[in-house]
Amino acid sequence: NAGVMQNPRHLVRRRGQEARLRCSPMKGHSHVYWYRQLPEEGLKFMVYLQKENIIDESGMPKERFSAEFPKEGPSILRIQQVVRGDSAAYFCASSPLLLASSEETQYFGPGTRLLVL
Amino acid sequence: QKEVEQNSGPLSVPEGAIASLNCTYSDRGSQSFFWYRQYSGKSPELIMSIYSNGDKEDGRFTAQLNKASQYVSLLIRDSQPSDSATYLCAVRGDSNYQLIWGAGTKLIIKP
Repeated sequence: NAGVMQNPRHLVRRRGQEARLRCSPMKGHSHVYWYRQLPEEGLKFMVYLQKENIIDESGMPKERFSAEFPKEGPSILRIQQVVRGDSAAYFCASSPLLLASSEETQYFGPGTRLLVL
Repeated sequence: QKEVEQNSGPLSVPEGAIASLNCTYSDRGSQSFFWYRQYSGKSPELIMSIYSNGDKEDGRFTAQLNKASQYVSLLIRDSQPSDSATYLCAVRGDSNYQLIWGAGTKLIIKP
């Protein structure tokens, strides 16, 4: 049973370019969460999505950032016109349908390390 | 504002000793509590979950929950250098999906 998959694992962009980060949840999981982590800092929640729905984007910057989780295919976090401050590790996590149990939690992918030059 | 607090450390523990990591939370209605381990440059990995007051043991790890005092702790017995990592505490809020994260405690096990 494959875990959460993210690609690319490393991404280098120049200022002003676009970054697209992809996340495929674990099989059977329908919820996806995106987090950002700066070096030596904690996880910062960005957005929570279900298929074709953004449930909570309270942690996402209002400009340049967007996320989607289409009916088919992976979830995508898109950063337009990247700046140096966007350099960070971006983690995706997934969880199953919540109706099953309050004990279910989130399982993380390996992350995408974004470096903006 | 719901918060989860952890001492950032670093917490230095000699090899073979017990490492004790603590976490407090502000939302009294929280029901589910999780400990994740994160090695440098890697993603968080779930190591323990606890939902009821008291202790829960899994190998060398013991999670302790005290809802009245709003704290959860993680004990690591017979600490090994491989336990050196950042330990993240996460609490499920009443919205039933959102995990509220602590900033993590960096643990260093000295040989």
